[in-house]
Amino acid sequence: GESVGLHLPTLSVQEGDNSIINCAYSNSASDYFIWYKQESGKGPQFIIDIRSNMDKRQGQRVTVLLNKTVKHLSLQIAATQPGDSAVYFCAEINTGGFKTIFGAGTRLFVKA
Amino acid sequence: NAGVMQNPRHLVRRRGQEARLRCSPMKGHSHVYWYRQLPEEGLKFMVYLQKENIIDESGMPKERFSAEFPKEGPSILRIQQVVRGDSAAYFCASSPQEGPYEQYFGPGTRLTVT
Repeated sequence: GESVGLHLPTLSVQEGDNSIINCAYSNSASDYFIWYKQESGKGPQFIIDIRSNMDKRQGQRVTVLLNKTVKHLSLQIAATQPGDSAVYFCAEINTGGFKTIFGAGTRLFVKA
Repeated sequence: NAGVMQNPRHLVRRRGQEARLRCSPMKGHSHVYWYRQLPEEGLKFMVYLQKENIIDESGMPKERFSAEFPKEGPSILRIQQVVRGDSAAYFCASSPQEGPYEQYFGPGTRLTVT
């Protein structure tokens, strides 16, 4: 849903482990979802997307899972690397409109 | 192929001054979005423009803020009479097609109001 002015939740993982980042979205009419990665001082970078007619989609080292029943989205990163350290945002879209709603974000730290 | 370009990267304004933020979309893209990001928060949608048209400005404050995307030249986000609360990072994204898909983000302009 709409982000709130709180400190970002943080996930700390060891290099080589798998990471799971979770997101709850707000609008049951949202039918398209994107995960973005944002490194410090940069704009968001597209990672992977999923439409509401799917519940799982895989990319290179990343998997997105969608549970529409509980309005939950997750991003799994396999074999996490130091270069994966960033803030990760989920975004929800109702494709009948033009607005993208970003979640609050999760900061991922990868320990070498 | 150059990505989305924004300038300036950093902008400092005193309260009451005007801020102009520029966004040059990727080549061939005719759709531009503007977002605002406060520290430790996600991006908030402001406005969606196509060439010479404002399509959705539901996220823009009613006063002091305006946006344009002329037929020639960059998209401009203009903030008049800036206040301290306008301090934020402003990102634009461009897309080759209508709708909020496949958005490519620029590096952002960090506005500081003193």
